[in-house]
Amino acid sequence: GAGVSQSPRYKVAKRGQDVALRCDPISGHVSLFWYQQALGQGPEFLTYFQNEAQLDKSGLPSDRFFAERPEGSVSTLKIQRTQQEDSAVYLCASTLVGLAGGIGELFFGEGSRLTVL
Amino acid sequence: GDSVTQMEGPVTLSEEAFLTINCTYTATGYPSLFWYVQYPGEGLQLLLKATKADDKGSNKGFEATYRKETTSFHLEKGSVQVSDSAVYFCVTGTASKLTFGTGTRLQVTL
Repeated sequence: GAGVSQSPRYKVAKRGQDVALRCDPISGHVSLFWYQQALGQGPEFLTYFQNEAQLDKSGLPSDRFFAERPEGSVSTLKIQRTQQEDSAVYLCASTLVGLAGGIGELFFGEGSRLTVL
Repeated sequence: GDSVTQMEGPVTLSEEAFLTINCTYTATGYPSLFWYVQYPGEGLQLLLKATKADDKGSNKGFEATYRKETTSFHLEKGSVQVSDSAVYFCVTGTASKLTFGTGTRLQVTL
């Protein structure tokens, strides 16, 4: 596709359930990012991949959060034993090149809205 | 870590009015600065950027100047249109991270 695609667009989970959110970046994009956006707030950084390597996971809020990108393309963000405070929109973004020259324009998907009851 | 403070919304303007959305930042080192915009029903997209002090970013009639001395990156447009109604985010970028402000909702009416 032409843009970053995320699925599902909406997910409702009961507290304690595990969820998996998928991101298909723009074809050929090297760098991939996950952000979390709570209601009324700006997105907050979770993690960053360059190809299949997870180079920065400093924003993951707890060990219940896990992200992978095994073949350097599609990425999955997994949240185990979901809690109500995990309710947010999870945004995926990609960019063509690595970040050696500094961060530039990111291309964002429309997000996956997670509601934990 | 980096932080961004931008004026709270919503901002409501009549079409053809002048727009300013204030933004200040704190950052270690020399960040790049961005304005991202989110139109209704769409994903975030880059509006403009500046990578060093005194650079002016511009796009679609919007402008912002990287002011290192005041650590500011205010967004301006001389004449807004209804189609500019959206949420605007001021953003710093260092290393692998973008740091977003909380966003300012702009509503432009006829």
